[in-house]
Amino acid sequence: AQSVTQPDIHITVSEGASLELRCNYSYGATPYLFWYVQSPGQGLQLLLKYFSGDTLVQGIKGFEAEFKRSQSSFNLRKPSVHWSDAAEYFCAVAPGGSQGNLIFGKGTKLSVKP
Amino acid sequence: EPEVTQTPSHQVTQMGQEVILRCVPISNHLYFYWYRQILGQKVEFLVSFYNNEISEKSEIFDDQFSVERPDGSNFTLKIRSTKLEDSAMYFCASSRTEGHQPQHFGDGTRLSIL
Repeated sequence: AQSVTQPDIHITVSEGASLELRCNYSYGATPYLFWYVQSPGQGLQLLLKYFSGDTLVQGIKGFEAEFKRSQSSFNLRKPSVHWSDAAEYFCAVAPGGSQGNLIFGKGTKLSVKP
Repeated sequence: EPEVTQTPSHQVTQMGQEVILRCVPISNHLYFYWYRQILGQKVEFLVSFYNNEISEKSEIFDDQFSVERPDGSNFTLKIRSTKLEDSAMYFCASSRTEGHQPQHFGDGTRLSIL
């Protein structure tokens, strides 16, 4: 069955430090890959997406993610974290083809220290 | 930027009662989705809807659940006889097409069953 794993439940980084959030997926073909962010009391906001082509994708708010087929990973990165980045981050997979539903990971909560 | 809007933001209902959650998708979107997130758990797909019919549903979406697009703008999720375990945040999402087009999410309705 398709699944998405985010191994880190909670990460704390200092403001200005770099960030990498891990995501691994289990799926036979290359799925469509997404990162969403959820601030407290808010909905899910799309940060970036990968469908095909360049494996390094740029998103909003200075985030980027790299698709590595050999590792079945789609890790999210940001070179310098801001206090406003504190939120929960969800990796999601859409199997593609006729299936539109998203399969989410359990999320990684990011805390930012001043 | 156009948004998906959901009402109410919080719904409290007695167990066994019917509840209807409402969503207004983005106006030029054709695919509509409901997801739920039980507190502390991952976001789970419930159902997708296209061309006035269900295109896909998960095993969570049993006979107690139904969806409807009663007019050109609203998309509703009905739970016929609520159970305690239906307590969750329910998210509506929409997309222009399925699969590779990103889904845009509303801020959610928090459903509390007493």
